[in-house]
Amino acid sequence: AQSVSQHNHHVILSEAASLELGCNYSYGGTVNLFWYVQYPGQHLQLLLKYFSGDPLVKGIKGFEAEFIKSKFSFNLRKPSVQWSDTAEYFCAVNRRATNKLIFGTGTLLAVQP
Amino acid sequence: KAGVTQTPRYLIKTRGQQVTLSCSPISGHRSVSWYQQTPGQGLQFLFEYFSETQRNKGNFPGRFSGRQFSNSRSEMNVSTLELGDSALYLCASSGTGTRGYEQYFGPGTRLTVT
Repeated sequence: AQSVSQHNHHVILSEAASLELGCNYSYGGTVNLFWYVQYPGQHLQLLLKYFSGDPLVKGIKGFEAEFIKSKFSFNLRKPSVQWSDTAEYFCAVNRRATNKLIFGTGTLLAVQP
Repeated sequence: KAGVTQTPRYLIKTRGQQVTLSCSPISGHRSVSWYQQTPGQGLQFLFEYFSETQRNKGNFPGRFSGRQFSNSRSEMNVSTLELGDSALYLCASSGTGTRGYEQYFGPGTRLTVT
C-alpha cells in the first residue's frame, strides 16, 4: 500500500536557522508530490507541489523542495526560518489521475525568536 | 475568489446518532474530496466526488457516505456515530487539468461524539 513517512515529528529551531524536513514515499508509479502547511488556528494551505519537470520546486514564503526519484524523497527546505514559520507541515502524495492524497504524519515546527 | 467553506464548524453529537456535514467548493471546482483528521491516525482520505459521482473511496466503513450536487456542493453523512468518529473533517476542492491535482482545503468541521 502507498505510504508517506516524515522522519521528524517535532523540530525546534532558532530564527535564521536552516530547515530541512524529510519526506519519503512508497509507490513505484508516477506520483504527484505536495507539501501542505497548517499554521496555528488556520486551515491546511498548499505550500508547494511537484508534478513533473525540474525536480527542484519553489513554493510560497521562501520554501523549496527537491524531488529525488531514486530515493523516493521530497524533502522540504528553507535557508532561514522565521518565527512566523511555526506550524505543522505535511508531506502528501497522490498517484497520477487520482485525487486521493496520502499524507505523512506531519512535522510540528517551532521557531524560537 | 472565495475559498472552500464548510458548515457547521463545530458539532457535538451523541453515540448512535447520525450527522451530515456540508462543503461548498471554490467556484468552478468540480472535484470535492473529504478527509478525516485525528491525533492518532492523522489525515485519512474518505472519498472523492466529481460531477456528482464518487470517483475514489478510502478504507472507511459503510457508515460514512457522501454525495455531490449539480452545483458541486457536497455533503458527507456518518450514521450510527461511534466515539472514535470524533475528528476534524476536512473538505478539499480541486479544478481541472493539471491543476486538478491541487487540492484546496476548507477550515473543517470539528465533530465531537459523546
